[in-house]
Amino acid sequence: GAVVSQHPSWVICKSGTSVKIECRSLDFQATTMFWYRQFPKQSLMLMATSNEGSKATYEQGVEKDKFLINHASLTLSTLTVTSAHPEDSSFYICSAWTQGANQPQHFGDGTRLSIL
Amino acid sequence: AQSVSQHNHHVILSEAASLELGCNYSYGGTVNLFWYVQYPGQHLQLLLKYFSGDPLVKGIKGFEAEFIKSKFSFNLRKPSVQWSDTAEYFCAVNANNQGGKLIFGQGTELSVKP
Repeated sequence: GAVVSQHPSWVICKSGTSVKIECRSLDFQATTMFWYRQFPKQSLMLMATSNEGSKATYEQGVEKDKFLINHASLTLSTLTVTSAHPEDSSFYICSAWTQGANQPQHFGDGTRLSIL
Repeated sequence: AQSVSQHNHHVILSEAASLELGCNYSYGGTVNLFWYVQYPGQHLQLLLKYFSGDPLVKGIKGFEAEFIKSKFSFNLRKPSVQWSDTAEYFCAVNANNQGGKLIFGQGTELSVKP
């Protein structure tokens, strides 16, 4: 199946710093990448939808200035958590999707973010 | 607003028992339906998907799901579970007019006792 690489897999940083997470589709071109947040024992909550070359669409309640998304190419999207605080600690997951018949999303391994 | 509901939060079974995990969604239009599995420490993997055609869909590892449009349901089944099926299972729905956007259910944790 399609491979999506997410990096880093785990990051710990101090409150107030910014953290960048990369999501790459390794063997296909993704027209769209999605960013999710998952709390322990809970489901995936969609944060934003990112189409290559255009601004991301954020879900209600997600601060676009807090979670900056860049989607510069068909194989790379980045999520930057700016001025991170402890409440931003979570598991962030990206997925990649390409427009076409019967295409599912393909998920990265996720990034565990811990803000001290 | 669209929503997906998984009825069971945690299911515990013995090996060889049969499994059925419930999934209901609320959306009146055409939908695509998915079941994903998340093994401990791993990323989400697609188990099976329904886009159109035969409402009984067969997936990997012996799993199947049946789309019942009148009940807005897409329940996951497996006749005989194994210890290696221990994982978190997520049902997800994509509305046909919303690109690839998925709405996930709350997830069901399956624990299979050897």
